[in-house]
Amino acid sequence: NAGVTQTPKFRILKIGQSMTLQCTQDMNHNYMYWYRQDPGMGLKLIYYSVGAGITDKGEVPNGYNVSRSTTEDFPLRLELAAPSQTSVYFCASSYEQDRSPKNQPQHFGDGTRLSIL
Amino acid sequence: LAKTTQPISMDSYEGQEVNITCSHNNIATNDYITWYQQFPSQGPRFIIQGYKTKVTNEVASLFIPADRKSSTLSLPRVSLSDTAVYYCLVGPILTGGGNKLTFGTGTQLKVEL
Repeated sequence: NAGVTQTPKFRILKIGQSMTLQCTQDMNHNYMYWYRQDPGMGLKLIYYSVGAGITDKGEVPNGYNVSRSTTEDFPLRLELAAPSQTSVYFCASSYEQDRSPKNQPQHFGDGTRLSIL
Repeated sequence: LAKTTQPISMDSYEGQEVNITCSHNNIATNDYITWYQQFPSQGPRFIIQGYKTKVTNEVASLFIPADRKSSTLSLPRVSLSDTAVYYCLVGPILTGGGNKLTFGTGTQLKVEL
């Protein structure tokens, strides 16, 4: 199993450009997440999905969009890149069972380092 | 979500036991406590999770007192490779609304020879 795979690993964008960060997982996890991590800071949740066709906002969703057409893929879209979106983006997945009291471990990709100039 | 407070950084030497304490005074009855480890240029990795008392696995122990207002991650006999950022998270039971764990700034552990 490859786990969670993110592409690209690095990208430089100009202000106003758009791009899609790709995330795919091969563990048949139902939950998927997008986080951003600014230098020296913790991770902030952007969007998450509890299954194909279902997405919801996290803590910092403005400027981003997501879709979940399949269980495996959870792309993150930046429509109008701004310097404030310069960050490292992490995708994660977990398998959550209804009525389970625990938050199951999240499996993370290695991140996409994005710079907007 | 319960707010957590951890030391910003800690230093240790190889072979020592390291204890990182996390405060979570407003933890809810249904919250679990989870710890993650993050190396530079990598995503976080799950270490251990617990609800009360003590939990132990092959890499760490987690001590949770009866009032659950704090927890302590214990790393036995650390090595240079344990140098990383450690995050304490407190999260609710899933209600079908998603797993919205919040990562704070974590504790930067530096292990030296």
